[in-house]
Amino acid sequence: DSGVTQTPKHLITATGQRVTLRCSPRSGDLSVYWYQQSLDQGLQFLIQYYNGEERAKGNILERFSAQQFPDLHSELNLSSLELGDSALYFCASSKRGGGDTEAFFGQGTRLTVV
Amino acid sequence: SQQGEEDPQALSIQEGENATMNCSYKTSINNLQWYRQNSGRGLVHLILIRSNEREKHSGRLRVTLDTSKKSSSLLITASRAADTASYFCATGGRTGANNLFFGTGTRLTVIP
Repeated sequence: DSGVTQTPKHLITATGQRVTLRCSPRSGDLSVYWYQQSLDQGLQFLIQYYNGEERAKGNILERFSAQQFPDLHSELNLSSLELGDSALYFCASSKRGGGDTEAFFGQGTRLTVV
Repeated sequence: SQQGEEDPQALSIQEGENATMNCSYKTSINNLQWYRQNSGRGLVHLILIRSNEREKHSGRLRVTLDTSKKSSSLLITASRAADTASYFCATGGRTGANNLFFGTGTRLTVIP
């Protein structure tokens, strides 16, 4: 158990809909990363937050947004969903940003858009 | 892009053999990390090597880093069937860059 909790584990939704993925980081970790992994692909970095502030942005679509709350949990909002958004979405947390320390991953949310 | 690229994309070996995976990256880094992913599950951290280190060991794992060639290798010795997984390298940027980029991974299959 990494200590990072992601909910829900599975999500099936229709095209055009909006969903929210939730991540609770490990206790004491200030940095949260979001990644998208399509079938048999690498991890695409989406966005990173550190202590409530956005710190880095990757290949995140305009239809996607995220935030980190004062209690440090984070949410990733995906809207106007398309079939191609079907993927595993991972959240990871670390004590600091910059990849200076190991990141701990949640078990992911498997999103299926039908 | 800072994203690393692993080579080979797939590797199949017999149990007991050694497995070597390589990672190349494009920009300056603070450190490089290796992670393992069992199918469809979250990644697990294996080892972190800093830019001023050349080699690091952890159990059956040996990681090397050559910053002049912008490359790293992960050696798993005496492989076991349980080592079957995907292995990713991840690079952390210089101070001020807060992201953690992952490569495309090497899919390792260890045949019992």
